[in-house]
Amino acid sequence: QKEVEQDPGPLSVPEGAIVSLNCTYSNSAFQYFMWYRQYSRKGPELLMYTYSSGNKEDGRFTAQVDKSSKYISLFIRDSQPSDSATYLCAMRGGYQKVTFGTGTKLQVIP
Amino acid sequence: DTAVSQTPKYLVTQMGNDKSIKCEQNLGHDTMYWYKQDSKKFLKIMFSYNNKELIINETVPNRFSPKSPDKAHLNLHINSLELGDSAVYFCASSQDLGRTNEQFFGPGTRLTVL
Repeated sequence: QKEVEQDPGPLSVPEGAIVSLNCTYSNSAFQYFMWYRQYSRKGPELLMYTYSSGNKEDGRFTAQVDKSSKYISLFIRDSQPSDSATYLCAMRGGYQKVTFGTGTKLQVIP
Repeated sequence: DTAVSQTPKYLVTQMGNDKSIKCEQNLGHDTMYWYKQDSKKFLKIMFSYNNKELIINETVPNRFSPKSPDKAHLNLHINSLELGDSAVYFCASSQDLGRTNEQFFGPGTRLTVL
């Protein structure tokens, strides 16, 4: 079993839809949870990160962590065509290396 | 102003050759990384350096040798290239080891081994 599992998609939604992207993990030592966005043929860029359980909101993006279920989500409200990208969840514990999910490819159709 | 830059952007070479990829960051960060992203988009860390010191060395064949001449540069040399080395290699940096959440990635080097 991989440490971090992510549905690869692709996920295709109409513009304006609410998007839910999810990851599960098995390592209970993970404390920090990140979401990166990667446009085609570009490097990943950090969207947001959270520490421990709870929600964090940044504009149209909300990150949610449920440590008891080892489950994290990223919600995108009012999705835009410019949100079309691959979304990578990532996590780490302490000073350990960051472990990435395999990414979910999202397409937002105008 | 490019924060993390890599050269070359594309690299096509024959099996058995030796090649290098260079990375530079102008963010003043202490920590730099090399990642390999395969065709399924799986991003896996290979090496991490902090102030020129090797911190993370994942299970990577010893054909791969990183070198950090100073904390702004982290190069990757690959000997005896194999077909399975074909991937996109990303360099990244973070302010320090405690802030590995916030990594800044370069544009990637697409390596194709024929």
